[in-house]
Amino acid sequence: EPEVTQTPSHQVTQMGQEVILRCVPISNHLYFYWYRQILGQKVEFLVSFYNNEISEKSEIFDDQFSVERPDGSNFTLKIRSTKLEDSAMYFCASSDLWEGYPPEAFFGQGTRLTVV
Amino acid sequence: QKEVEQNSGPLSVPEGAIASLNCTYSDRGSQSFFWYRQYSGKSPELIMFIYSNGDKEDGRFTAQLNKASQYVSLLIRDSQPSDSATYLCAADQTGANNLFFGTGTRLTVIP
Repeated sequence: EPEVTQTPSHQVTQMGQEVILRCVPISNHLYFYWYRQILGQKVEFLVSFYNNEISEKSEIFDDQFSVERPDGSNFTLKIRSTKLEDSAMYFCASSDLWEGYPPEAFFGQGTRLTVV
Repeated sequence: QKEVEQNSGPLSVPEGAIASLNCTYSDRGSQSFFWYRQYSGKSPELIMFIYSNGDKEDGRFTAQLNKASQYVSLLIRDSQPSDSATYLCAADQTGANNLFFGTGTRLTVIP
């Protein structure tokens, strides 16, 4: 069964360092997302990406964040200068586009980011 | 502010019983609603979605939507211990292709 894959599963980084989280969405999907979940809290939307550009972003997705689809398969989230409060589980998701139907977003297994 | 509210639980039901999970949402413009299951430390797993008023059944799961009351529910029939997880309700954002999640309801099915 097709799935969204994310690497690494766990990333530890020092405050102020840049991190890149990587995702391979399901191959025929057209929408890509990043969500995050701080431990014990709700899943929060960060950004969605369609047709090689950001389609929506939340207030959380400030100038420290960027996304890129560097090739036909990978989708990355970069955090330029990590802060302690960026520690969270980051989920990549993807969905297909069916006219008249809601997007069914399928989530990857997540990358646990720990900023120390 | 757009909110999706869920009772955090925990909700405990005996094996074989019906588990009823509830969710309310504030954005009247939301059209589609999703139920995800999340095991501890794992990613959300889509169970089903609903976008029309009424009931939608998929195996042991039934989603119910009442847009007038801004209320969504998930019924799990013949609950199994493997159903023990946190159930997340999510609503799409009006005019956008992303989801607002509730905090989730923790369900425990007791053997």
